[in-house]
Amino acid sequence: AQTVTQSQPEMSVQEAETVTLSCTYDTSESDYYLFWYKQPPSRQMILVIRQEAYKQQNATENRFSVNFQKAAKSFSLKISDSQLGDAAMYFCAYRSAGSNYQLIWGAGTKLIIKP
Amino acid sequence: AAGVIQSPRHLIKEKRETATLKCYPIPRHDTVYWYQQGPGQDPQFLISFYEKMQSDKGSIPDRFSAQQFSDYHSELNMSSLELGDSALYFCASSARTSGRADDTQYFGPGTRLTVL
Repeated sequence: AQTVTQSQPEMSVQEAETVTLSCTYDTSESDYYLFWYKQPPSRQMILVIRQEAYKQQNATENRFSVNFQKAAKSFSLKISDSQLGDAAMYFCAYRSAGSNYQLIWGAGTKLIIKP
Repeated sequence: AAGVIQSPRHLIKEKRETATLKCYPIPRHDTVYWYQQGPGQDPQFLISFYEKMQSDKGSIPDRFSAQQFSDYHSELNMSSLELGDSALYFCASSARTSGRADDTQYFGPGTRLTVL
């Protein structure tokens, strides 16, 4: 069975600085998707970024980028120029590319932005 | 852009009562997923439907049932409610395509269920 591990329960960063959130996963599959979702205090679950395992290139969405290391089974999220609105719980999630489409979630990392 | 709609947003029930949660997916999305998120926890997958048929089943209690209707909206029916059922219930939708089934799940705002 696949598992997702986020080893940082909480991280803090100064506004305008850069922060990296860690995520590792375990799977025997070669084809899958990885996601970062953001959950602010409103508890809405918002997609931040998505990576397809068969793509070598790291995904980027504006200030958000990932460092995908397939061999190491690592999928970290880098947030550049942190803003107060980035404060949220960040969840890393895995999804098989096969027949089972449910998301498998990490425990989450709480990101605090210091003004 | 249209998003996933869930109703009601908040629901308060007594123990042993029943509850029905509704989910309206993004237009042209054919797949619906239900997740349960307890306080301070990550979401847990309950069940999913693709083209009105049950697709995957997770940790859904036997007291819960769900279905997807002809207009693709879905309902989660919860009976004999227990205190432990108090949680945020998310619905997500996606559009499965042929080939790689390249479907990203987009989440609704959730229904906060409180069981007293």
